[in-house]
Amino acid sequence: DAKTTQPPSMDCAEGRAANLPCNHSTISGNEYVYWYRQIHSQGPQYIIHGLKNNETNEMASLIITEDRKSSTLILPHATLRDTAVYYCIVRVGDDKIIFGKGTRLHILP
Amino acid sequence: EPEVTQTPSHQVTQMGQEVILRCVPISNHLYFYWYRQILGQKVEFLVSFYNNEISEKSEIFDDQFSVERPDGSNFTLKIRSTKLEDSAMYFCASWGQGTTDTQYFGPGTRLTVL
Repeated sequence: DAKTTQPPSMDCAEGRAANLPCNHSTISGNEYVYWYRQIHSQGPQYIIHGLKNNETNEMASLIITEDRKSSTLILPHATLRDTAVYYCIVRVGDDKIIFGKGTRLHILP
Repeated sequence: EPEVTQTPSHQVTQMGQEVILRCVPISNHLYFYWYRQILGQKVEFLVSFYNNEISEKSEIFDDQFSVERPDGSNFTLKIRSTKLEDSAMYFCASWGQGTTDTQYFGPGTRLTVL
């Protein structure tokens, strides 16, 4: 089973920041937090990952709490193309990815 | 940007036939994976492959499935005798090494078993 808990769905207005929460209270010290998304039936797309520091790239920001038991993915200016299922995953390096049900994000025009 | 490619994008086959799904991982990656997604369900892990051997496989990956890296660039998934329940999207993924790297997925092959 997935080691994370995410809300099943969220709505966000276009142009606003989308904040997607994830709980991973049993995360181990060597496990990273990864975020992927899947648009319709396309292949899962990597977004960002981090260990304990906050991370930012051209797609998103990842905020990890100090105790590492939860994190938030932030899409700063959501567009209609960001409508997708977002998966929060914890894992180490070469480990397989165990996908949960993720959060279905609806961007509203 | 390097990417994982998969062929064909859609494969239709008759029940009991053999199919081979092909993947070209990112060139300097060393770890390779197959996942599948039945319509409307979660993405499920099938098998991981490293150093020319299977490193882990799931319960789904039974004797009807096999993987191979025949020529150093392609990574294939073979289903020997397809069943109706094998109909799904099949995704290949590859991973390099290092904590800054991650698994990258291909676009998938839609397998339809009639």
